[in-house]
Amino acid sequence: DAGVIQSPRHEVTEMGQEVTLRCKPISGHNSLFWYRQTMMRGLELLIYFNNNVPIDDSGMPEDRFSAKMPNASFSTLKIQPSEPRDSAVYFCASSLLGTSGFNEQFFGPGTRLTVL
Amino acid sequence: GNSVTQMEGPVTLSEEAFLTINCTYTATGYPSLFWYVQYPGEGLQLLLKATKADDKGSNKGFEATYRKETTSFHLEKGSVQVSDSAVYFCALKGSGGYNKLIFGAGTRLAVHP
Repeated sequence: DAGVIQSPRHEVTEMGQEVTLRCKPISGHNSLFWYRQTMMRGLELLIYFNNNVPIDDSGMPEDRFSAKMPNASFSTLKIQPSEPRDSAVYFCASSLLGTSGFNEQFFGPGTRLTVL
Repeated sequence: GNSVTQMEGPVTLSEEAFLTINCTYTATGYPSLFWYVQYPGEGLQLLLKATKADDKGSNKGFEATYRKETTSFHLEKGSVQVSDSAVYFCALKGSGGYNKLIFGAGTRLAVHP
């Protein structure tokens, strides 16, 4: 398996532009998580989906951020309009939620976003 | 609510030194506990886990014991290597349904030859 795939790996944009980050989870996984990592705030959970349905979006910082999961193999995180304070590394992770126990979250390599 | 507190870094050690990274937690019920590791330029990887009190998780020479009486899950390794240089995250999953994790702030470890 190729693991969790994120694109692009690096994105540089100007303030006010729309940014779309993409994630392909591991095949067969039914839970997907979007995280943001900064030096100041550490690792923050933005939103997570189960069976393509958003379960908890309380971590989404404001209305400029939106996330979708149109099918089991694809998710997007969109920022519109982007601001310099959105500069961070954004991680996508997936896991298989079963009937018992914990199943490991597998992280993608991240997208490093720089908003000028 | 649930939370995780881990020691601030960076931790700087010489090769073959003993490592301890402290982690304490606050949670209701019976959480599961984890250590994740992030190597430079990569995403996080699960290092070890413990799902109930007194369990010991171990992997790659690292160990951590789930201590309910002290609400702790300290990470230890007897002899670190330069290749262990990374950021280490303590995390917990509450006793509820989904695989949502609460992460600590992370501790950067730098090991010098």
